[in-house]
Order: sequence, then structure tokens, then C-alpha cells
Amino acid sequence: SQQGEEDPQALSIQEGENATMNCSYKTSINNLQWYRQNSGRGLVHLILIRSNEREKHSGRLRVTLDTSKKSSSLLITASRAADTASYFCATDARTSGTYKYIFGTGTRLKVLA
Amino acid sequence: GAGVSQSPRYKVAKRGQDVALRCDPISGHVSLFWYQQALGQGPEFLTYFQNEAQLDKSGLPSDRFFAERPEGSVSTLKIQRTQQEDSAVYLCASSDDRGRQPQHFGDGTRLSIL
Repeated sequence: SQQGEEDPQALSIQEGENATMNCSYKTSINNLQWYRQNSGRGLVHLILIRSNEREKHSGRLRVTLDTSKKSSSLLITASRAADTASYFCATDARTSGTYKYIFGTGTRLKVLA
Repeated sequence: GAGVSQSPRYKVAKRGQDVALRCDPISGHVSLFWYQQALGQGPEFLTYFQNEAQLDKSGLPSDRFFAERPEGSVSTLKIQRTQQEDSAVYLCASSDDRGRQPQHFGDGTRLSIL
């Protein structure tokens, strides 16, 4: 019943290359967030983009949002071995005044040194 | 300051036993969320608290699952009469606004039902 779908499911690149991950969702949103999860750990927030924003940058991260296509992308530039992790998008599914975040299935990124 | 703390980190139980999982959110955070994460999947929403009020429990898979946050800080997720399909990582997250701010996650409790 997860709303978000990420692709690719897995991505393997060389250190220094860029990594691009995509997320699609189904319903209207207020904002979309990207999280990283290292193996055996909790999720760490990376970046939040609001529905009225189209692009946002944070360090080596660039996020785009296309609400007409209900999709978002996360670009990691100049990747490092430490970027190896799973990446998830999360959208808010605001219903009846409560807040519920729906996570995608994730992209497992492996950066080879 | 301290982040979100969950205990235990690992829990093994026999099918049919009851378990209780604890979450200590970041001090002062109003919102608290519980998620269930199966292996290789993203977190699935279970329930949401705003202070001590449980505003959304639509994700709880059955009436064997029960969550509480009686004083608006620490929360406990209880699973009664555990079954093998309950095996998963249970994640807790908190945020300092009514869901509009990023969530801070604990490292989760890995529950294995034998």
C-alpha cells in the first residue's frame, strides 16, 4: 500500500560519478522529503521540497519536483563511498487533519571506491 | 542533544508471546510516528500521536497492535499474541511540529518471531 515508487531499485556507480534516483507518487502532496538509511540504522532526513517549489539544493544534493507528473528526482553529485545507503522519498498524505507520511520502496545505492 | 532512542534494539520472541517496544522521542517534540519496515522495503506507517492524542492509527495491521503515549513523551508499541508475519524492524520518529517538519528517526527495534 506504499504510495511512492523509486527507480532504479538498485544503482551501482564509481566514486566521483553522479547518482540520480527518481520517485513517483499518486496523490496531491504538500511536500516531499528524501531520506537516507544506512544498513541497520534509522532514516536520516536529507532535504524537503514543498509543492510550490521546483528545485532545491543542499550541498551535493539537488532535488527536483514536478507536481504535474507527480514525480521527483534526487541527484547526488561527485559521489563518495560514504554515500552508499538506501534512499527513500516520503510524501505527506494529509487526511482528516492528521499527518501521515508515505515512503517509497527505496533505491539501494552502492558507490564503489 | 540526544536523538530518538528506541529499546530494545533486538527482540526475539516466540509466536504467541506479547512484546512491548519503547520509544523516547527528542525532548519537546510534539509529533511521534511509528513505522514498520520489512526487509528490503520502505517504512510503512502504523500510527501517529500529537502529544498524548493518537490522531491516526489507520496503519495498525490488526487489533493485536496497540500504541500509547500517556504523558505526551515516551511511547510504547505493544503487540499481543505475536505471529511470524510481525517480524520486522519497528521504527519510531518524532518531529517538532504537527508533521510539517522533517522527522527524526531512531535506529529501530528488530523484532524476530520464532
